[in-house]
Amino acid sequence: EVRLVESGGGLVQPGGSLRLSCVASGFTFSRHLMHWVRQTPGEGPVWVSRINTDGNITVYAGSVKGRFTISRDNAKNTLYVQMNSLTAEDTGVYYCAREAYGDVRIDNWGQGTLVTVS
Amino acid sequence: DIQMTQSPSTLSASVGDRVTITCRASQSISTWLAWYQQKPGKAPKLLIYQASTLESGVPSRFSGSGSGTEFTLTIGSLQPDDFATYYCQQYVSLWTFGQGTKVEFK
Repeated sequence: EVRLVESGGGLVQPGGSLRLSCVASGFTFSRHLMHWVRQTPGEGPVWVSRINTDGNITVYAGSVKGRFTISRDNAKNTLYVQMNSLTAEDTGVYYCAREAYGDVRIDNWGQGTLVTVS
Repeated sequence: DIQMTQSPSTLSASVGDRVTITCRASQSISTWLAWYQQKPGKAPKLLIYQASTLESGVPSRFSGSGSGTEFTLTIGSLQPDDFATYYCQQYVSLWTFGQGTKVEFK
């Protein structure tokens, strides 16, 4: 069974930083590209960032480019996102998500971790 | 950026009803479209990808169609477990989600 378990969320002041983690199990983590997706209550999800299998190619949404850094440790089956210069607009539930092998669709999500910037 | 627009925003239906949700893309996305179901407090669950391919384990009452800019998700006979919010998502150019369609009890 695919499991993605996020942690690291919490309350942070504007301008602050936070690092989220996502531990993967139940599949070969190193073979899958991975994403972070944010969602605020009552709204649709918003894609944040994606990283390739080796960790050397990253893509970011314009709203977080230059402030967020996605990374991974394949030896630890863990995905990260370092979030700096946080604003109220960064508030939401952050989901770690897996990209399907050989495709670009997102096929599995974690349960999410809440980040509140206030 | 490609924008995704769903309609309706809310849909009231009864068990057994046939339900159709529409998703429009701001430009052609071929069939690079997925549908997700989300229940309160839970993560989205993939239902359909490539516009019409059913994800493994998803009941056959769910179906998807469309290409280019117009897409539909149909639930053939609504079941109690299907009351949820549904999102479309394009993945031809980065990843963009619609604003959601909530299917509620009539």
